[in-house]
Amino acid sequence: SAVISQKPSRDICQRGTSLTIQCQVDSQVTMMFWYRQQPGQSLTLIATANQGSEATYESGFVIDKFPISRPNLTFSTLTVSNMSPEDSSIYLCSVPSGAPLLLNTEAFFGQGTRLTVV
Amino acid sequence: GNSVTQMEGPVTLSEEAFLTINCTYTATGYPSLFWYVQYPGEGLQLLLKATKADDKGSNKGFEATYRKETTSFHLEKGSVQVSDSAVYFCALKGRGADGLTFGKGTHLIIQP
Repeated sequence: SAVISQKPSRDICQRGTSLTIQCQVDSQVTMMFWYRQQPGQSLTLIATANQGSEATYESGFVIDKFPISRPNLTFSTLTVSNMSPEDSSIYLCSVPSGAPLLLNTEAFFGQGTRLTVV
Repeated sequence: GNSVTQMEGPVTLSEEAFLTINCTYTATGYPSLFWYVQYPGEGLQLLLKATKADDKGSNKGFEATYRKETTSFHLEKGSVQVSDSAVYFCALKGRGADGLTFGKGTHLIIQP
């Protein structure tokens, strides 16, 4: 299994500012995923981060709001830009356990970053 | 699109009670199905999975059977313990999809 470290684990931020969340994996992976878990809601996939190319965003998420970097095969960052209270959520980094597109490939998750925007 | 519906919580049971957490899904084709668990203060971890119809996933006394005819993947355990208190998420992975589609999660509370 992969060990995923996320930083920070939690933060309280002022509206209008930006926060960058870091995700470090202990092994090389082709794909990394970023999810959001809003209070009382399910996890929602924000984007897929591939090394060497631009991230692929899901419907409802845009690069200007959630820019993602993927400088190498073990690291990624997600920035939450120009924050508002509606961005208060838990943000999670995830990597697949094997070949990402195989049906039976489950995912490993970091412990998440709990963000509160005031 | 894909979606997962699971019973709302919190679910409160006494120790040694029988547990069922319902999960139904909507997906194109035949997805893989998962149960994830999040213990207090910890990250999400895979509990069990099933990749085709009639498969039964099992782990730590928990079981779930992939029922294609009812599009369900209910989680069961015969005798719960206080240490099972956690949030449980049902999820699916569709063909060709990169990420997972999750249900809203069910908070399970086991009282001694």
